Amino acid sequence: AQSVTQPDIHITVSEGASLELRCNYSYGATPYLFWYVQSPGQGLQLLLKYFSGDTLVQGIKGFEAEFKRSQSSFNLRKPSVHWSDAAEYFCAVGRPDSNYQLIWGAGTKLIIKP
Amino acid sequence: ETGVTQTPRHLVMGMTNKKSLKCEQHLGHNAMYWYKQSAKKPLELMFVYSLEERVENNSVPSRFSPECPNSSHLFLHLHTLQPEDSALYLCASSPTSSGRNTGELFFGEGSRLTVL
Repeated sequence: AQSVTQPDIHITVSEGASLELRCNYSYGATPYLFWYVQSPGQGLQLLLKYFSGDTLVQGIKGFEAEFKRSQSSFNLRKPSVHWSDAAEYFCAVGRPDSNYQLIWGAGTKLIIKP
Repeated sequence: ETGVTQTPRHLVMGMTNKKSLKCEQHLGHNAMYWYKQSAKKPLELMFVYSLEERVENNSVPSRFSPECPNSSHLFLHLHTLQPEDSALYLCASSPTSSGRNTGELFFGEGSRLTVL
């Protein structure tokens, strides 16, 4: 069955430290891959996406993600986090059997220590 | 206004009430979605409309009734809900393209629903 796993429910990092959020997927073909962010009390916002081509993709707010086919992973990274990055981050995969459905991870909540 | 706007932001209702959630998008998109977000669970897709036609209905109980009068507006009518329906209801829109799902969703801020 197709699935998306975000193994970390919570991650705490110090402001200014680097960040990596993990995402693994189970999928039969080359997927479309996404990271969304949800700040407290807000809806979700698209951070970045991978459709094809260069496996290192740049997104908004200084985030990047790397698609590794051999590991079925699409980890999100940022070299130096800011307090405003405290939010919940969701990884998602585009499903081939639906034009509209995404498979969502359960999310990782990022906590920033001052 | 730009983006996706949802009203009300907060709603408290009893189990016998009838209420509606409203969503409006100003992005020129042709597809609109209702999602349910509950704590510690992945986002649940409820309904999708494309060009005002319902294209996805994920086994949602009939006490939730969507309506899409035009490509800019989407409603979720609520009737005789249960306490377990308390959640954040998110509206989203996306640009349509032929072929595969691009997955580029633009979300509203959500309507926080509490059912007493």
